[in-house]
Amino acid sequence: AQSVAQPEDQVNVAEGNPLTVKCTYSVSGNPYLFWYVQYPNRGLQFLLKYITGDNLVKGSYGFEAEFNKSQTSFHLKKPSALVSDSALYFCAVRDPNTGNQFYFGTGTSLTVIP
Amino acid sequence: DGGITQSPKYLFRKEGQNVTLSCEQNLNHDAMYWYRQDPGQGLRLIYYSQIVNDFQKGDIAEGYSVSREKKESFPLTVTSAQKNPTAFYLCASSALVQETQYFGPGTRLLVL
Repeated sequence: AQSVAQPEDQVNVAEGNPLTVKCTYSVSGNPYLFWYVQYPNRGLQFLLKYITGDNLVKGSYGFEAEFNKSQTSFHLKKPSALVSDSALYFCAVRDPNTGNQFYFGTGTSLTVIP
Repeated sequence: DGGITQSPKYLFRKEGQNVTLSCEQNLNHDAMYWYRQDPGQGLRLIYYSQIVNDFQKGDIAEGYSVSREKKESFPLTVTSAQKNPTAFYLCASSALVQETQYFGPGTRLLVL
């Protein structure tokens, strides 16, 4: 079974509108959850992570994510999208049941329309 | 990408040839990783190393080999046994195996 899922391949949002990129996980126990962003032909850049504590995590570039244990979700959000936010976004989960291996989602391409 | 370098940026492989991708980090991280990225498939783990002179296979290790002789270096060799090597290869490192992974800029491997 897939440990992490990003149900949307593509998300389009108008500049200035709020954006959400969805992520769900299927790891038992206490997973670590991460968001990364990738610009074309570049490596992944770390945005934020949830380990424990407050369910709302704030990260780089104004992004935040909300951990919801009952829904096993960790959606990425931003109150006001910028054209420069257009990129590929990856959710990742560290599975403590498999030697702490990281599993990455298939990615969501975000396009912010001017 | 700071702290982790990958070279070359582009690499061309001929049939039957082994090629080696370089990954160096100056973050003093113990753990290092190699991932393969294909369109629409996300990242798949090839090999990882938690400490010098030790490494483990990931989900798609067949056709690849690695070494970890120094803490800062984790080269990946794509052997002739890897029949579909065309992909974007990403190296990452973390302080410990369960901690945040930081990525290099990647190497794109193409087959001539």
